[in-house]
Amino acid sequence: NAGVTQTPKFQVLKTGQSMTLQCAQDMNHEYMSWYRQDPGMGLRLIHYSVGAGITDQGEVPNGYNVSRSTTEDFPLRLLSAAPSQTSVYFCASSLTGGGNQPQHFGDGTRLSIL
Amino acid sequence: GEDVEQSLFLSVREGDSSVINCTYTDSSSTYLYWYKQEPGAGLQLLTYIFSNMDMKQDQRLTVLLNKKDKHLSLRIADTQTGDSAIYFCALRDGGYNKLIFGAGTRLAVHP
Repeated sequence: NAGVTQTPKFQVLKTGQSMTLQCAQDMNHEYMSWYRQDPGMGLRLIHYSVGAGITDQGEVPNGYNVSRSTTEDFPLRLLSAAPSQTSVYFCASSLTGGGNQPQHFGDGTRLSIL
Repeated sequence: GEDVEQSLFLSVREGDSSVINCTYTDSSSTYLYWYKQEPGAGLQLLTYIFSNMDMKQDQRLTVLLNKKDKHLSLRIADTQTGDSAIYFCALRDGGYNKLIFGAGTRLAVHP
């Protein structure tokens, strides 16, 4: 099993560009989520999905879109990149959204916006 | 909203015990977690405790939960250099499908 796979691992964008961060899991997990990690602030939830076709906003959704057309994939789209979106992005999945289900994290995408 | 506080740094000598502390504000959290992050990697779930428990032990790890004081701690016995990492406390947010994370405690283990 590959677990949670994120691509790319690193990306540099110019302000105003758009891009999609990819996340795929091969564990047949229903629940998937995106977090951003900034120094001194821990991880903050951007968007999450409890199953294919269902998405919802987290704490910091502005400037990001998601979709969940399949169980395996949960891409995160930056519509018009801004320097404030420079961060490390983590995708996570779990079997369900239940509290006793551990979340499995990908290795992250390090994104810099110039 | 929920607030989770952790001290940012902890330095211990190899072989000593490490205690990482976390305080939180929302008493409705049902599950409380400890994650470990090594450099350049994602987060790895170390252990979790259900809110009706006071203590959970898993090999070198001991989790203590004081619900009255809203205080969670992680004790690592016989700390090794491989334990050097950032440790995050996280809580399941009441009725929502999301985790609330603390800012993380960087543990440095020295000889």
